[in-house]
Amino acid sequence: GAGVSQTPSNKVTEKGKYVELRCDPISGHTALYWYRQSLGQGPEFLIYFQGTGAADDSGLPNDRFFAVRPEGSVSTLKIQRTERGDSAVYLCASSLMGENTEAFFGQGTRLTVV
Amino acid sequence: QKEVEQNSGPLSVPEGAIASLNCTYSDRVSQSFFWYRQYSGKSPELIMSIYSNGDKEDGRFTAQLNKASQYVSLLIRDSQPSDSATYLCAVNMEEAGDMRFGAGTRLTVKP
Repeated sequence: GAGVSQTPSNKVTEKGKYVELRCDPISGHTALYWYRQSLGQGPEFLIYFQGTGAADDSGLPNDRFFAVRPEGSVSTLKIQRTERGDSAVYLCASSLMGENTEAFFGQGTRLTVV
Repeated sequence: QKEVEQNSGPLSVPEGAIASLNCTYSDRVSQSFFWYRQYSGKSPELIMSIYSNGDKEDGRFTAQLNKASQYVSLLIRDSQPSDSATYLCAVNMEEAGDMRFGAGTRLTVKP
């Protein structure tokens, strides 16, 4: 596609429920990043994929969070047993691999846990 | 020490002035640095990238990099009210390959 696409754009869920957030990167971009952003804060790193594998998942806050990218393109961020503190905008970005590459963001998914 | 640090601001400048935004980073071997602009309620938009020491100019924007001091800055000349936004500094973590952000500096340009 022309840009990074994230779905849904908004998600409201009840505390304790399971949610999946989807990211479709720019075609040909092998690097994919997930971030979480709360109001007034910078993007907080969650996980980084190179192709199908998670090269760095050190930003995932706990084992309720998991992300996959089985075919090296679309990625899904999965959150189990959601808590109100998980409410934030979840941002996805993609880039080419190699040196000096620039990352481009999707429009984000606003998650609200009630 | 945070990986990427920015003054949160807010920074207020009059229209037509130069706005100066600063960023320091902790990873001594980082090679790639980026400035993103984020309007309220929108996602970050890439405005500048810089990889070598010195200045890089693009229109009204100039990025400056000093790897020895672990410092990167963004200058906006002839600031316009439409430049009012949060500016995010991002640094590629060389070892892991991923990109980390500062908290952002909120800039207001007053007409």
